[in-house]
Amino acid sequence: QITLKESGPTLVKPAQTLTLTCTFSGFSLSSSGVGVAWIRQPPGKALEWLAVIYGNDLKTYRPSLNGRFSITKDNANNQVGLTMTNMDPVDTATYYCANTYRGSGIFEFWGQGALVTVSS
Amino acid sequence: SSELTQDPAVSVALGQTVRITCHGDSLRSYYASWYRRKPGQAPVFVIYAENNRPAGIPHRFSGSRSGNTASLTITGAQAEDEGDYYCNSRDSSGNHWVFGGGTKLTVL
Repeated sequence: QITLKESGPTLVKPAQTLTLTCTFSGFSLSSSGVGVAWIRQPPGKALEWLAVIYGNDLKTYRPSLNGRFSITKDNANNQVGLTMTNMDPVDTATYYCANTYRGSGIFEFWGQGALVTVSS
Repeated sequence: SSELTQDPAVSVALGQTVRITCHGDSLRSYYASWYRRKPGQAPVFVIYAENNRPAGIPHRFSGSRSGNTASLTITGAQAEDEGDYYCNSRDSSGNHWVFGGGTKLTVL
């Protein structure tokens, strides 16, 4: 059974850095064909794919992020992190992690989501 | 703006058939996957391509693709099918993923 859960701060000030953690079980992130993606949904808006990391450490990011976000993995603890720098109120959203398979575009199982609010 | 476009809202009578569409140039080359999100819940993977459904998704859900359009068809819609449906596929570069703007499905 695959499960994922997001954790991290819920409130951050503009220009600050925030790291979210996705803790997963039921699969291993050691294969190049397996990945974990981060996806967010701003209030009242559509889903936005942000980044993905695969077992061989290949990473891909949403182009409009312009390098502000960084995705990492910790195989020993079955965790994937998303570090977001220079946070802005437009980054206020519910952030989800999901498992995926390279090249498939399938986000199979999702975490419950973590609401992040960017406000002074 | 999204590279995949969807109608904002669609409604269907209980038990009838409804098609939710997703348009984008990348769909000429790549299949779409579909997700449903209900209020207060995480999105759920519904289908990939034509008939790749995860366990628990009924057979009344099917997918198709023609030209630059991917479609999700629900044959015999049920009340529990209500929610926001999102398509996903590669962007125009083929190197990244993108979601459509979402379609709110109401079952009357």
